[in-house]
Amino acid sequence: DVKVTQSSRYLVKRTGEKVFLECVQDMDHENMFWYRQDPGLGLRLIYFSYDVKMKEKGDIPEGYSVSREKKERFSLILESASTNQTSMYLCASSGTGLNSPLHFGNGTRLTVT
Amino acid sequence: AQSVAQPEDQVNVAEGNPLTVKCTYSVSGNPYLFWYVQYPNRGLQFLLKYITGDNLVKGSYGFEAEFNKSQTSFHLKKPSALVSDSALYFCAVRERSSASKIIFGSGTRLSIRP
Repeated sequence: DVKVTQSSRYLVKRTGEKVFLECVQDMDHENMFWYRQDPGLGLRLIYFSYDVKMKEKGDIPEGYSVSREKKERFSLILESASTNQTSMYLCASSGTGLNSPLHFGNGTRLTVT
Repeated sequence: AQSVAQPEDQVNVAEGNPLTVKCTYSVSGNPYLFWYVQYPNRGLQFLLKYITGDNLVKGSYGFEAEFNKSQTSFHLKKPSALVSDSALYFCAVRERSSASKIIFGSGTRLSIRP
């Protein structure tokens, strides 16, 4: 079974802090994703990576950056956390085939106070 | 604009009855179609997908989905609901032209009463 592991289930940070969310997958997948999940809005793509050091902005990249130095690890960085970034963050990975499903981690619920 | 609609925020069904969770989409081309389920405090789990061919797709946990090209719909179904099916369900559509272009619906909460 594919395993996608997010390092933290819950995080509480203060406004202005730099926040790192880590994600590791064990299936040698090329594609990795960071989504944000908010009630009634579904999932919104923050960033996508299709290879080491390669990334694409998603629909809502403002206030976020990413790092992919190794194939299995994809990090989301909140440069200066704000209260409107309080949300559930989901990491996912998939193979290269466009009909490949996404495999999700259990999510990190981030609260910015 | 490309979009995926799940018109019902919540669906309530008695255990043992059939269930349907609706999804319609407005995406160009012939996209790939997916259903995912999310249990409390968990990430999304893949249920099934439509690529091509037979319009009725079977997936995990006894779920199936019916693709209708003329209505651009991909409704999730199960002949006999279980209480354990209670969860949040997401329809997703992936364009054939882009690995990152995946549009999710807003989700439908399915509640199965004993």
